[in-house]
Amino acid sequence: GENVEQHPSTLSVQEGDSAVIKCTYSDSASNYFPWYKQELGKRPQLIIDIRSNVGEKKDQRIAVTLNKTAKHFSLHITETQPEDSAVYFCAACLTSGTYKYIFGTGTRLKVLA
Amino acid sequence: DADVTQTPRNRITKTGKRIMLECSQTKGHDRMYWYRQDPGLGLRLIYYSFDVKDINKGEISDGYSVSRQAQAKFSLSLESAIPNQTALYFCATSDNRRGETQYFGPGTRLLVL
Repeated sequence: GENVEQHPSTLSVQEGDSAVIKCTYSDSASNYFPWYKQELGKRPQLIIDIRSNVGEKKDQRIAVTLNKTAKHFSLHITETQPEDSAVYFCAACLTSGTYKYIFGTGTRLKVLA
Repeated sequence: DADVTQTPRNRITKTGKRIMLECSQTKGHDRMYWYRQDPGLGLRLIYYSFDVKDINKGEISDGYSVSRQAQAKFSLSLESAIPNQTALYFCATSDNRRGETQYFGPGTRLLVL
């Protein structure tokens, strides 16, 4: 079946450095790619998303890039801060026809002060 | 997001017992979802419902059933609980008119002994 691979599973960076999390999806029909942040003991919350007709999207210190040919998409966080420490999940979704919303296995990001 | 609530928040039950997890939302969203979260496996979709008369199986529906009692309520049942159903369960909602962002409830932590 379809799956989403997410790497790395854990990532430690120094405060102020950049962090990159990568995901690869298998279903070429996927057309929507959200990223969720889950702080310890909390619910997942959307931080940024991108649709298949766009290659890159930025929101302040966060950006997402999409390479449809390679079926890769990545989350980039610049100038990391301690409050960025959380688990981040990517998802690859098919929002038309047979609905699919498949999450990656998560990346635990630790920002060291 | 206080607009999506789940009850109970924690539950301990025994193998073979029937248990129901409830989800309510005041966001007016038409779509509702049930996920389970396991360490290292991310979030996996159990069932989803696009309106009151629409119920669909997700990736891992075996051993679960759902009921969409009203637009605002979506319940998940375990007819005969087993230990490998021990997990954190999240309900989520989305608004078909406003894109694919999913809004998660606070989660229900279930332990099956």
